[in-house]
Amino acid sequence: GAVVSQHPSRVICKSGTSVKIECRSLDFQATTMFWYRQFPKQSLMLMATSNEGSKATYEQGVEKDKFLINHASLTLSTLTVTSAHPEDSSFYICSAMTLGSQYNEQFFGPGTRLTVL
Amino acid sequence: GQQVMQIPQYQHVQEGEDFTTYCNSSTTLSNIQWYKQRPGGHPVFLIQLVKSGEVKKQKRLTFQFGEAKKNSSLHITATQTTDVGTYFCAPGGSQFYFGTGTSLTVIP
Repeated sequence: GAVVSQHPSRVICKSGTSVKIECRSLDFQATTMFWYRQFPKQSLMLMATSNEGSKATYEQGVEKDKFLINHASLTLSTLTVTSAHPEDSSFYICSAMTLGSQYNEQFFGPGTRLTVL
Repeated sequence: GQQVMQIPQYQHVQEGEDFTTYCNSSTTLSNIQWYKQRPGGHPVFLIQLVKSGEVKKQKRLTFQFGEAKKNSSLHITATQTTDVGTYFCAPGGSQFYFGTGTSLTVIP
């Protein structure tokens, strides 16, 4: 089956630092990747959609200069949280889609739990 | 972005009881997907519904898509402790806005 990995799984950082999260599709080429944020006991909130080789499309209210997304290849997308603050603490999950899957479903990574002190 | 509402938000059932979660949209949907997220885990795709009035079954799970394609439901017959988790609907398309989710607790 389609496997998506995320790294790191957990990160604790000081306020003001930048954190990079990697999302990789391990056994398929991901034409589209999505980045979500999930607060405790809440739903997944779509942050941005990225297609390989083009700029990400950000959802309303998501600052593109704060959440930098790079989708340099068909198997790798990165999310960089710049100058992180405590309110950025959350569970960040990526997902990937590929053309040719029967249902056009998303395959999710295991998530990254970010804690900003 | 759009968000579909799910009810109930939380449901506690005794093991063996049935469970249903409903997903409601104010707009007509082209299709809808359902995902399950176990506590501490990530969402896993369950199914996609496309046709008006469509009904699909996966063992004890029954998924329905409304005639007007504005609502959908997931019914679990005779719940088991392995059914614990949060169930999300997600209107399909080029972008995915997850429903508010229903958290299911099964009491042994």
